[in-house]
Amino acid sequence: DSGVTQTPKHLITATGQRVTLRCSPRSGDLSVYWYQQSLDQGLQFLIQYYNGEERAKGNILERFSAQQFPDLHSELNLSSLELGDSALYFCASSVGDNANYGYTFGSGTRLTVV
Amino acid sequence: AQSVTQLDSHVSVSEGTPVLLRCNYSSSYSPSLFWYVQHPNKGLQLLLKYTSAATLVKGINGFEAEFKKSETSFHLTKPSAHMSDAAEYFCVVSAPYSSASKIIFGSGTRLSIRP
Repeated sequence: DSGVTQTPKHLITATGQRVTLRCSPRSGDLSVYWYQQSLDQGLQFLIQYYNGEERAKGNILERFSAQQFPDLHSELNLSSLELGDSALYFCASSVGDNANYGYTFGSGTRLTVV
Repeated sequence: AQSVTQLDSHVSVSEGTPVLLRCNYSSSYSPSLFWYVQHPNKGLQLLLKYTSAATLVKGINGFEAEFKKSETSFHLTKPSAHMSDAAEYFCVVSAPYSSASKIIFGSGTRLSIRP
């Protein structure tokens, strides 16, 4: 157990729907990062929050949004889902506002859009 | 600009033989380099990191990597493979203290272990 908790582990939903993925960072970590992992695109950085504020943005679609709450847990919202959004979504955390000493990853949420 | 290339998409070795997973990088700065391992249906786990201290870095589970600036390489090695080492391995490069958007993951090397 890495200390980063992601729920749910699996999610199957239909095209056009909206889902919310949840992440609780490791105790003491202030940063949360979201990544998408697919077979064709590899591991893609989506967005980072540090202590409640957006800190960095990657290749995140406009249909996707995220936030970090005062208790530091984070949610990634995916809307108007398309078949191509099927992927593993990982959350990672770190103590500071950069990952210079490495991330701690959760075990991921596998999203299947049908 | 930074980039990372994992030279082999798949490596297969016999149990008890050495492991070599190759990684070359390109960076405008003195880089930070990492290796992560991902077992099936699991998240990524940090194996080891180089952040401009000793060039030979020891990690968990008997893995180590050597930073070679002249060759722009950061290859991962292990003297003797174990069945439990079968996994996907990712080489990662970043500039120290850089934004998460500038942390580059390699495409991964799948390591298979033959009994």
